[in-house]
Amino acid sequence: QVQLVQSGTEVKKPGASVKVSCKASGYSFSTYDINWVRQASGQGLEWMGWMNPKSGNTGYAQKFKGRVTLTRNSSTSTAYMELSSVRSDDTAIYYCARARGLAGLDYWGQGTLVTASS
Amino acid sequence: QSVLTQPPSVSGAPGQGVTISCTGSSSNLGARYDVHWYQHLPGTAPKLLIYANSNRPSGVPDRFSGSKSGASASLAITGLQAEDEGYYYCQSYDYRLDGSRVFGGGTKLTVL
Repeated sequence: QVQLVQSGTEVKKPGASVKVSCKASGYSFSTYDINWVRQASGQGLEWMGWMNPKSGNTGYAQKFKGRVTLTRNSSTSTAYMELSSVRSDDTAIYYCARARGLAGLDYWGQGTLVTASS
Repeated sequence: QSVLTQPPSVSGAPGQGVTISCTGSSSNLGARYDVHWYQHLPGTAPKLLIYANSNRPSGVPDRFSGSKSGASASLAITGLQAEDEGYYYCQSYDYRLDGSRVFGGGTKLTVL
């Protein structure tokens, strides 16, 4: 069965970087884009960016350009989201989700809580 | 604020039906981009409920249906059940944002 399993809770000081992983199984990793979506406490869902695991091509929401980097390790079917210079308002649950092109996000990871606090 | 507008909340009694609207503009829903709907229940990951305007993934009950017309879309839920209580989000794309995915602000469904 398709699964996206994310890494565990992170606590970072403001200004640090955080890297969240998303390990895919149950399907061919290269055939679906991996998207990243976050939800801050009391807020709605916010799309951050996407990556094509086969080509390595990426796209980012304007808000996150220059601060988010999406990468992958195809040998382990794992996608990564790195957020730099974290601030308190980056405290959120971060989700990975797969999709083919503009299709719906059909499978989601369980979410990773990232807390930015001094 | 979101480029896709949803009502903050809707409510209905068990067995009744509700409709959640999603209003966009000429750069997103009006540009013929598909809309997808997600259900987000407390303590869980979001779940794809409706894709490409009106299609249900396998396993989603037919109590859930979607439609789209012009720059607006809607999600209808019939036969409300207590376990439907949670948040519902529409999602599309916007060419003024470099084709980025965009979410509506979300609607809290309360089953009375």
